[in-house]
Amino acid sequence: ILNVEQSPQSLHVQEGDSTNFTCSFPSSNFYALHWYRWETAKSPEALFVMTLNGDEKKKGRISATLNTKEGYSYLYIKGSQPEDSATYLCALKGRGSNYKLTFGKGTLLTVNP
Amino acid sequence: GAVVSQHPSWVICKSGTSVKIECRSLDFQATTMFWYRQFPKQSLMLMATSNEGSKATYEQGVEKDKFLINHASLTLSTLTVTSAHPEDSSFYICSADPGLAPNEQFFGPGTRLTVL
Repeated sequence: ILNVEQSPQSLHVQEGDSTNFTCSFPSSNFYALHWYRWETAKSPEALFVMTLNGDEKKKGRISATLNTKEGYSYLYIKGSQPEDSATYLCALKGRGSNYKLTFGKGTLLTVNP
Repeated sequence: GAVVSQHPSWVICKSGTSVKIECRSLDFQATTMFWYRQFPKQSLMLMATSNEGSKATYEQGVEKDKFLINHASLTLSTLTVTSAHPEDSSFYICSADPGLAPNEQFFGPGTRLTVL
């Protein structure tokens, strides 16, 4: 069974601030770590898929890192904008026959203009 | 590309009735679709994996006779909540896997079910 913890549960930042939040997992026995961005009333949108220790991915102002040895992934947002307001979900994809996604509870980000 | 729709987006029904939720992949084919449920302040929890042309695989604790899943085509899966009760009120969301690396799942926008 994969466990996924996300912190903080929610945070408020001002427009222009940079921020980051954490996805932690006690076991690295998974195939991939996924980050999703989920705006209210919309579909969760895939941001990154990472599989290797030390992976770093970037998409515009958003980037993510993966450290499987210490059991965490960070998501960074540089220069937050109001349109970044969303819930950010972390999920682990299991190996082999256990290929399902196990999600954390998410981090709700609110960016104030 | 990779758009998944879900219908209805919200539904209110009386206790004892059945409700059908549709999940469609609009611009790709999906041999595998997934159904999740989310209770307030909880994480998305996988209910079942739906495979086109075969029986769904249910997660432990999910009643297959209560949550009927049909994956009749490569673009459509349906979830029917039978004899719904207030405790079935939840947010139901589907995802579809086009079978491409890196095994990405594309999500629908979800369905809010309220059982009175």
